[in-house]
Amino acid sequence: SQTIHQWPATLVQPVGSPLSLECTVEGTSNPNLYWYRQAAGRGLQLLFYSVGIGQISSEVPQNLSASRPQDRQFILSSKKLLLSDSGFYLCAWSPGGHTFGSGTRLTVV
Amino acid sequence: AQSVTQLDSQVPVFEEAPVELRCNYSSSVSVYLFWYVQYPNQGLQLLLKYLSGSTLVKGINGFEAEFNKSQTSFHLRKPSVHISDTAEYFCAVSGYNFNKFYFGSGTKLNVKP
Repeated sequence: SQTIHQWPATLVQPVGSPLSLECTVEGTSNPNLYWYRQAAGRGLQLLFYSVGIGQISSEVPQNLSASRPQDRQFILSSKKLLLSDSGFYLCAWSPGGHTFGSGTRLTVV
Repeated sequence: AQSVTQLDSQVPVFEEAPVELRCNYSSSVSVYLFWYVQYPNQGLQLLLKYLSGSTLVKGINGFEAEFNKSQTSFHLRKPSVHISDTAEYFCAVSGYNFNKFYFGSGTKLNVKP
């Protein structure tokens, strides 16, 4: 069966520090992979999606970047975090409908 | 491009009452439709999806949704809700290639005893 792992579950980082969130998928090959952000009281904002290794589509220009170094690994990064980067970050894979990871609660202080 | 509108940000309902959560979409092409549920501090879980076939789709936890192409709607219903259904519900659409998904802003269902 397919599973998706996302870590860490919670993270508190100071403004200006770097960020690396990792997502891995098991039990499938060549999945579409996604990063979403959910700000408090708001819906899901698609940040990046990837249809293959090294292929990244950015939906919203911002302080974040994504990489897909391996088929089932998707990484969300930032060189310098802003307060506005706080939120709940969700990784998902497809096709056929998303399967979501359990999320990372990021608080930038 | 597609977009999704969830008309109600919050829906309060008493336990064992019926509920309908509304979802409308806009798209210039045919789409697939989905409903997800999110419990506090968790990821989203797929409730049901419409890909083709019967316009009435049954999902987990007793939920169902009906695809209405003429109304461009995909409303979610449950005939009798439980306290445990208290959560946030998201409607989503994607194109046939599943590359991009568009989510509504969510509806918080609050089931009261």
